[in-house]
Amino acid sequence: DGGITQSPKYLFRKEGQNVTLSCEQNLNHDAMYWYRQDPGQGLRLIYYSQIVNDFQKGDIAEGYSVSREKKESFPLTVTSAQKNPTAFYLCASSNPGRAGANVLTFGAGSRLTVL
Amino acid sequence: GDSVTQMEGPVTLSEEAFLTINCTYTATGYPSLFWYVQYPGEGLQLLLKATKADDKGSNKGFEATYRKETTSFHLEKGSVQVSDSAVYFCALGEPGNTGKLIFGQGTTLQVKP
Repeated sequence: DGGITQSPKYLFRKEGQNVTLSCEQNLNHDAMYWYRQDPGQGLRLIYYSQIVNDFQKGDIAEGYSVSREKKESFPLTVTSAQKNPTAFYLCASSNPGRAGANVLTFGAGSRLTVL
Repeated sequence: GDSVTQMEGPVTLSEEAFLTINCTYTATGYPSLFWYVQYPGEGLQLLLKATKADDKGSNKGFEATYRKETTSFHLEKGSVQVSDSAVYFCALGEPGNTGKLIFGQGTTLQVKP
């Protein structure tokens, strides 16, 4: 079945460590996104990529980095520069068509806790 | 900039009650509008969408009508079930072809038997 796979589902990190969250999709979607979810704040966009080898910052990119070397993969690194990294991270993908008519498919999420 | 505002939760209802979750938006142009649902511990799933004014999106008994004059996209269901307990997000499609969505803060629905 086509879908988005995020791993790991749960991750614990010590302060000062970088961690990488994996996101893989087999939907043949061009665009991929990373959102951060905090209680009561909805989803905020971290980074997005519309095509391989290209990506753009979202609203809260500081302290994060991404790469898009393959169409199927869009890993997110949470660096030690991210001041408050404990959150639920959601990866999504889509094939943007008519402006604003985009439907995102989401993965199941990765919960990161900083100890 | 564009934004989405949802009614604050949690919303607690008894089974078979009528549900309304309010959503209003601010946007330039005429964005597409979406409702996503998130069950505990999971990612988001598309519930319904509407791409132009007066469109009605519907799925699984849920409905929402794109009201340009009131800039609203309220979610309704005539008779909720315990299995509808989840967090509901209203979202709009950002203008242009980035595919980005702008989400509201989410509304938690709890349905009691």
